[in-house]
Amino acid sequence: GAGVSQTPSNKVTEKGKYVELRCDPISGHTALYWYRQSLGQGPEFLIYFQGTGAADDSGLPNDRFFAVRPEGSVSTLKIQRTERGDSAVYLCASSPKRLSSYNEQFFGPGTRLTVL
Amino acid sequence: GQQLNQSPQSMFIQEGEDVSMNCTSSSIFNTWLWYKQDPGEGPVLLIALYKAGELTSNGRLTAQFGITRKDSFLNISASIPSDVGIYFCAGQLITGNTGKLIFGQGTTLQVKP
Repeated sequence: GAGVSQTPSNKVTEKGKYVELRCDPISGHTALYWYRQSLGQGPEFLIYFQGTGAADDSGLPNDRFFAVRPEGSVSTLKIQRTERGDSAVYLCASSPKRLSSYNEQFFGPGTRLTVL
Repeated sequence: GQQLNQSPQSMFIQEGEDVSMNCTSSSIFNTWLWYKQDPGEGPVLLIALYKAGELTSNGRLTAQFGITRKDSFLNISASIPSDVGIYFCAGQLITGNTGKLIFGQGTTLQVKP
């Protein structure tokens, strides 16, 4: 399909381990967002990419979280030394172009991360 | 993190009934959005509002952007079973240029056939 895809769909890991979550945006979309959704809550912004650069990383909770988008397409969210509180659904969204007014963000199905 | 205040938290209604939910914020937004999320899926946009006071419809859905830019409501008329899901409001902040969205806590809607 032509939508945003995320892999894996589910990830179970142990406390202290390192994880990588991948997002494939819609082809041609230059803006890419990561959000985190805890159980029973709405998504919370983590980081925004415009092209290859992280234009806003103000939502990253601490320095264990890092994200890259080296070629301006696929993005990887990396979490070091995972903690049980990192358990959540991590959503990726992409948008067609640089924002001057609202452009719809298309969301992927998310990766459900469980830290034991 | 910052979130909008969305109510009610959940609703259980009879098929055919109308539904209303709303969001308020202490911050001013230049865009309000309403999303629906099904289990195991990401949010899907239902309605986008761009101007204070704007009233917009999408089929059986109607939403309004509050005149103060700090609130919005969503109405669903003549509910059907496929309306079941979680509905989120979201605002785009007026300052900055990231387009990041601030979401409400969600309203879980259940429809009894």
